[in-house]
Amino acid sequence: NAGVTQTPKFQVLKTGQSMTLQCAQDMNHEYMSWYRQDPGMGLRLIHYSVGAGITDQGEVPNGYNVSRSTTEDFPLRLLSAAPSQTSVYFCASARGAGNTIYFGEGSWLTVV
Amino acid sequence: GNSVTQMEGPVTLSEEAFLTINCTYTATGYPSLFWYVQYPGEGLQLLLKATKADDKGSNKGFEATYRKETTSFHLEKGSVQVSDSAVYFCALSENNAGNMLTFGGGTRLMVKP
Repeated sequence: NAGVTQTPKFQVLKTGQSMTLQCAQDMNHEYMSWYRQDPGMGLRLIHYSVGAGITDQGEVPNGYNVSRSTTEDFPLRLLSAAPSQTSVYFCASARGAGNTIYFGEGSWLTVV
Repeated sequence: GNSVTQMEGPVTLSEEAFLTINCTYTATGYPSLFWYVQYPGEGLQLLLKATKADDKGSNKGFEATYRKETTSFHLEKGSVQVSDSAVYFCALSENNAGNMLTFGGGTRLMVKP
């Protein structure tokens, strides 16, 4: 089973560049989300979606955009990368409220 | 708002030692509580969970009991192994919030042979 798949796994960007982190799940889950992980701060929620066509902001949404055109995919876009966005990004999905949340393997992003 | 506080690491133990990682939380409602584990270079894996007060979650020899009176969910294992070396995250989710998780800062566990 593929589960939650993130690409790329590693990326180096220059300040001001844009890029998209891809996330796909093959479990027909309604809920999808993006987190960033920074040292000593655990994971913080960036954006989330409770179904196709529905997105909402999490704790740290600034500098990121998302869309959910299909149930399977939930890409995260960095419009103009900044060094403060250097982090590890995790995509997650769940069947619905109260269900187990599954994480992808992470995307390591460095902005120089 | 919701928050999770867990003991800072690293925690260094010898193999077969007893493990406790403390976790306390604040929440506006009645959350579900989780422990996730992250092995080096990997994503997060659900270790165990509890969905209501006095529930005990258990998996792979790890246990945690949902204590509403002390707002705690401490992780314990009776005899750790080198393979348990990882970062452990305590988290909560309120089911009326899109199932999103609020995480603690993580505790790194290092087990020496």
